[in-house]
Parts: sequence; structure tokens; C-alpha cells
Amino acid sequence: DIQLTQSPSSLSASVGDSVNITCRASRGVNNYLAWFQQKPGKAPKSLIYSATSLQSGVPSKFSGSGFGTDFTLTISSLQPEDFATYYCQQYHLPPFTFGGGTTVETK
Amino acid sequence: QVQLVQSGAEVKEAGTPVKVSCKASGFTFPAYYMHWVRQAPGQGLEWMAMINPSGDDSTYARKFQGRVIVTRDTSTSTVYMEVNSLRSEDTAIYYCVRGCGSGSCFDPWGQGTRVTVSS
Repeated sequence: DIQLTQSPSSLSASVGDSVNITCRASRGVNNYLAWFQQKPGKAPKSLIYSATSLQSGVPSKFSGSGFGTDFTLTISSLQPEDFATYYCQQYHLPPFTFGGGTTVETK
Repeated sequence: QVQLVQSGAEVKEAGTPVKVSCKASGFTFPAYYMHWVRQAPGQGLEWMAMINPSGDDSTYARKFQGRVIVTRDTSTSTVYMEVNSLRSEDTAIYYCVRGCGSGSCFDPWGQGTRVTVSS
């Protein structure tokens, strides 16, 4: 199975900050990498697919980069509604594993 | 609008089965893979299985092979997931998710179905 390692597991940031979350795959997944946001008590929400494509309706403050084994989710100008947990997922080979999650907390 | 609506919460005894449904609307259901993902309390997301658009091929994560069955009914645009021989560690929220198509991937998600297993 392909393992995804997210870092950091948590981070503290302030409103207006930009943050980067990384996701490293144990083997290459081409660009078959998605990012999700989850808030407490809610279903995950898709942000990015194909490593760099923004899901419809998602603000452009979210961006994804990377290919192969190393990927990054960048959130610019953090707003209160952006404090949440973020997950990456590979869908190159089943099982379509998720990273362990990164919680973005308010500083 | 494109949406997935899941069946309600379940409380089951260990050793019994549970079947969760997920009704799709607003898109061409037979054109998409459908996936199931679960989340145990306080834990991360775990991909469980997927079923192909025609419903004749399913793929399961190794830990669920033989105990989970995913099916779909095109006539009602509904996908089902049955978990047999429930254990306390199956207590989780179960989500259905639409697979990839033109312009989107793993979107939308159902609202989730909470399954509680009592021993």
C-alpha cells in the first residue's frame, strides 16, 4: 500500500498568515493526489484534485503543487473559517490511502 | 444540485451486519465510480472500497476484504455498503463519495452515517 506522510501534524497560525502543508508519498503517485478540508462534526470537503486543480467553488487562496512523491497545499491569507484539519489522499493505486491529517489552529 | 444523501444512524450489536445506503441526485449516476470512506472517533480518514460505474466490479482495502460488500442500484441511483460481523472497532462515521469525472474528483461527500457497535 502507498503510505502518505503529512507534515506538520499540527500548526498554529494567525489570521492573515500563509501556511504550507506537505504530503509525501512512499512511492510515486503521478498527479493523482487530492486535498480535503474537514471541520469538526462535518463531512470532508474537496479542495484540490489532480494535485493542482481547484475544485469548483473553492476560493483561489487554496493552491496545490507537486508531482510524483512530494506535494504541497498552500493556504494564503488565513481567515477564521480556514482553521480546520486538512488531509491529502492518493488515488493512483488502491487502496486510495489518506495522510494522517494536519490541524491548523489559531495562534 | 449534485448531492449524496445517506441513511440514518445505526446502533448495532457486535457480530451483526449493518447496511448503509447513499442516494445520489443531480448527476449521471451510472457514469461515476462511488467510494466509501470511514472515520473512527477522533481519528483520520480511512478509504474502504469503491464500485465501478456498471456495478459489476468492486475493489476493497485489504482489511475489509471478505467482510464488506459494496453494491449499487442504477434504477434508484443508490449505492450500498454492508459491513458484516461488526466489531467495536467498526464504530465510526461512514461516508460515501463520488469518484472522478470531468472537472471534479472525490466530490461531493455524503453527510455521513454514524454506526455504533455495542459489545
